[in-house]
Amino acid sequence: AQKVTQAQTEISVVEKEDVTLDCVYETRDTTYYLFWYKQPPSGELVFLIRRNSFDEQNEISGRYSWNFQKSTSSFNFTITASQVVDSAVYFCALSKTYNNNDMRFGAGTRLTVKP
Amino acid sequence: KAGVTQTPRYLIKTRGQQVTLSCSPISGHRSVSWYQQTPGQGLQFLFEYFSETQRNKGNFPGRFSGRQFSNSRSEMNVSTLELGDSALYLCASSLGPRQGGATEAFFGQGTRLTVV
Repeated sequence: AQKVTQAQTEISVVEKEDVTLDCVYETRDTTYYLFWYKQPPSGELVFLIRRNSFDEQNEISGRYSWNFQKSTSSFNFTITASQVVDSAVYFCALSKTYNNNDMRFGAGTRLTVKP
Repeated sequence: KAGVTQTPRYLIKTRGQQVTLSCSPISGHRSVSWYQQTPGQGLQFLFEYFSETQRNKGNFPGRFSGRQFSNSRSEMNVSTLELGDSALYLCASSLGPRQGGATEAFFGQGTRLTVV
């Protein structure tokens, strides 16, 4: 069975602080895909990153970075120098196969960045 | 390029009624997935359609159904509505199966259904 755990329900930081959102996953598949999505108050899920199970390289995109570690089944997301506009709910998700949009989502972490 | 369009944005229905939600995917996308989001259960996968065929289905009762048209637009239907069906229903579109890896799904703003 597939499962995604985001243990942090809510995080509150002050602007310019760095913040890490944790994601731990469970799967028996050897090939799988991990995703991060951002959900602002408007409701739509905004795609942030996709990572396949064979690519453990960390990735940096501007203030965002992701740390994928298969050994600990974790795919953590760090925002550097947070901004008020980063306030949103962030979801980590797991997909079984390369062409399957049946994603299993974590419960989400609500991030509040205060000015 | 237009994004994923879901209509209506808000809907209020009475228990026992049925409802149909619509999703227009991004042009060129052939895969459409539906998700239900509730405070208690979070985001749950309902079903996925590709080329008018249902490829996968989540763990929902038969009251939840869907279909996809030849232009890739999709509808989902919920019959005999229950209070617990109140949720944000999100539609996601993607290119569909292809070699090289999963394609990211782009989501619409959702339809917020309230059952009273």
